[in-house]
Amino acid sequence: GAVVSQHPSRVICKSGTSVKIECRSLDFQATTMFWYRQFPKQSLMLMATSNEGSKATYEQGVEKDKFLINHASLTLSTLTVTSAHPEDSSFYICSAAGLLYEQYFGPGTRLTVT
Amino acid sequence: DAKTTQPNSMESNEEEPVHLPCNHSTISGTDYIHWYRQLPSQGPEYVIHGLTSNVNNRMASLAIAEDRKSSTLILHRATLRDAAVYYCILRGYGGATNKLIFGTGTLLAVQP
Repeated sequence: GAVVSQHPSRVICKSGTSVKIECRSLDFQATTMFWYRQFPKQSLMLMATSNEGSKATYEQGVEKDKFLINHASLTLSTLTVTSAHPEDSSFYICSAAGLLYEQYFGPGTRLTVT
Repeated sequence: DAKTTQPNSMESNEEEPVHLPCNHSTISGTDYIHWYRQLPSQGPEYVIHGLTSNVNNRMASLAIAEDRKSSTLILHRATLRDAAVYYCILRGYGGATNKLIFGTGTLLAVQP
């Protein structure tokens, strides 16, 4: 199957700072990527849909000014958590849409805000 | 989005078959049934999907009820590496660009 990578795999930052997470499709082009957040013992929650060359579409309740998404190329989407707070600590996962029916998920990024 | 209902948890013994049920009574005619699984501290992994007919691949089989209101994911011989949360998700026609909405899934424990 296709490979999606995320960088970094884990990051610790101080409250008030911003953190950027990269999502790359390594061996295919993805016009659509998705960003999810997962708290401990909970399911994945879709945050936004990212389309190459256009603005992301955010799910209800997700602050677009806090979670900045950029999808500048067919293989790269970035999520920037601005002015991070401890409650933003979570497991952030991206996925990239394949050609047909499947989504390929990245390994996730564990964010801890101190 | 149509909702799915799965048991919170199930247990299986290694080398034995596992049948993971999913109810989706409000499924629409164009909804595909997708299964993903998530191992601890990893991103989800695609398992299988189907529309009406039963499907087989190297990982699992998917049995879909005739009325499509339920389906069952079948792992033919469970291994310890199959211990994961299994998600049954309905996705409308439109392919991979349609978003996936995850429910709570079934936590599968596999005993040696």
